[in-house]
Amino acid sequence: TQLLEQSPQFLSIQEGENLTVYCNSSSVFSSLQWYRQEPGEGPVLLVTVVTGGEVKKLKRLTFQFGDARKDSSLHITAAQPGDTGLYLCADFNAGNNRKLIWGLGTSLAVNP
Amino acid sequence: DAGITQSPRHKVTETGTPVTLRCHQTENHRYMYWYRQDPGHGLRLIHYSYGVKDTDKGEVSDGYSVSRSKTEDFLLTLESATSSQTSVYFCAISGQGNGYTFGSGTRLTVV
Repeated sequence: TQLLEQSPQFLSIQEGENLTVYCNSSSVFSSLQWYRQEPGEGPVLLVTVVTGGEVKKLKRLTFQFGDARKDSSLHITAAQPGDTGLYLCADFNAGNNRKLIWGLGTSLAVNP
Repeated sequence: DAGITQSPRHKVTETGTPVTLRCHQTENHRYMYWYRQDPGHGLRLIHYSYGVKDTDKGEVSDGYSVSRSKTEDFLLTLESATSSQTSVYFCAISGQGNGYTFGSGTRLTVV
């Protein structure tokens, strides 16, 4: 059974700081997705990465996929209070009824 | 305009009563999912559907049933609610792209 580990579990920083959170899998990802969940809402897809070594940028967010496709990182530059939320990674397998395997997430608080 | 809505948003019910949560989509997606989210356990799949009247169990299906009689509606029923089913329930849909779209959730409290 594939296990996804996310670290750190909790992170509290000041506005303007940079941060990196990690997602590691016990087996190779089919494709990796990152979601952000704001309090009281459902998760929202941020990005999908498929190719080992891939880097994607979304404004101040940079997503890296490891060469071996077993790990990923999310880096946020100059964090803002609006970045507060739960960051979840998930492995997407289109061949398994499109089911996702989820990590437990990193809870980020950005303080003004 | 949200492509997926859940109802109700909040519900308090008594132990032993049946409860039905509704998920409605306007995207015509084939795949629909019910999750529960609990601290320390993350998102856990309860049931999912891969078409009208086609459903299957997830990892935490005991005590829950589902029905999908139309593409747009996926119902989750707690047959006899217990306190351990107090949770936040999310519905999600998956279509042409790879990502899921989630509803805003139902916060269920069983007293």
